[in-house]
Amino acid sequence: QQQVKQSPQSLIVQKGGISIINCAYENTAFDYFPWYQQFPGKGPALLIAIRPDVSEKKEGRFTISFNKSAKQFSLHIMDSQPGDSATYFCAAIPMDSSYKLIFGSGTRLLVRP
Amino acid sequence: NAGVTQTPKFQVLKTGQSMTLQCAQDMNHNSMYWYRQDPGMGLRLIYYSASEGTTDKGEVPNGYNVSRLNKREFSLRLESAAPSQTSVYFCASTGWSVETQYFGPGTRLLVL
Repeated sequence: QQQVKQSPQSLIVQKGGISIINCAYENTAFDYFPWYQQFPGKGPALLIAIRPDVSEKKEGRFTISFNKSAKQFSLHIMDSQPGDSATYFCAAIPMDSSYKLIFGSGTRLLVRP
Repeated sequence: NAGVTQTPKFQVLKTGQSMTLQCAQDMNHNSMYWYRQDPGMGLRLIYYSASEGTTDKGEVPNGYNVSRLNKREFSLRLESAAPSQTSVYFCASTGWSVETQYFGPGTRLLVL
């Protein structure tokens, strides 16, 4: 079964620091790699996404880096703020089933003031 | 636009009871999904409907059934609830870009 492995499970960062969340996938048959952000008591919402033919994508303080040869991708949150405290999920869309997302296990981020 | 709505928000069941979780979207989306979220397990796909009239199993379909009632509505039924089905259930929908799924607020289910 196709899987996406996410680490760390939890992360504590001081305000202004850099938060880094890593994901790895086990085969090459993925087409698109979105990241979702979930606040307590809410449903997840799309944060940023990258295609496998791009090595980096930046939107404001959020950057995705993609390493196709290593089958890894990561989310960097620059100048982390207490309002960024949430659970983050990486995901991937299988090429052979383009209607589905495969989610990582999630990272709970706490940004301390 | 309300987006994706789910009812109920919270439910307590006894083992063996049945219930239906309701989901509706007003974005004219073709595809709809049911996920469950458990601590440390992320979001796991239960069932999905790529388009009106079709449904397919996801990663964890056992113990669940679904109905795509029309383009707007996608329900999830637990025929005989078990404690292992205690979870938070999310419905989602998407249009042409699958990477952008819109999630509802979730239903918290406790099975005693």
